[in-house]
Amino acid sequence: QVQLQQRGAGLLKPSETLSLSCAVYGGSFSGYYWSWIRQSPVKGLEWIGGINHFGSTNYQPSLKSRVTISVDTPNNQFSLKLKSVTAADAAVYFCARFSGWLSTPRFDYWSQGTLVTVSS
Amino acid sequence: EIVLSQSPGTLSLSPGDRATLSCRASQTISSSYLAWYQQKPGQAPRLLIYGASRRATGIPDRFSGSGSGTDFTLSISRLDPEDFAVYYCQQYSDSPSITFGQGTRLEIQ
Repeated sequence: QVQLQQRGAGLLKPSETLSLSCAVYGGSFSGYYWSWIRQSPVKGLEWIGGINHFGSTNYQPSLKSRVTISVDTPNNQFSLKLKSVTAADAAVYFCARFSGWLSTPRFDYWSQGTLVTVSS
Repeated sequence: EIVLSQSPGTLSLSPGDRATLSCRASQTISSSYLAWYQQKPGQAPRLLIYGASRRATGIPDRFSGSGSGTDFTLSISRLDPEDFAVYYCQQYSDSPSITFGQGTRLEIQ
């Protein structure tokens, strides 16, 4: 059974950098696209970006200038950094496995989520 | 960016009823690239359907998906009390671009 376990700070001040990591347990780390998704009452579910085990990344265009997703393949982990946060970045952040991206793409495993609050 | 519009916003039904949820895309998408998720309060979304009509592992056969082009449907044949939740559709397109619908809340009447 695949499990994704998130770690990272949930309370930030405006202009700080959000940093989250996601450890993957069970299953293969290769052959999938590991993604970050956030959910807020205003924007709903929003895909942030993803990375494969080679380190190839894709980002949501509206966030691309502030986002970095990196991978630590030997340790089956990947990370998210979002710089210069504002109140608009407050959301629940999920990491998820993106499968079948060449045929029937879908997010088949998700983490429990981290509530990120931005407040001065 | 492809926008997904879900309707209705809220659906009020009773256990045992049939539910029909709609997802409309702003442009044609491949049916292979359309998925549905269920989300309960305080939980992550759970994959129900992918490739428009394929049930994910462990999903009961009362859940079914259909559609093509710009119009897709999630049907739940006989509502179980555990089915009352929020449902989202999601699409993938080359770029890549991934977007979700705004959700349909299925509530007990």
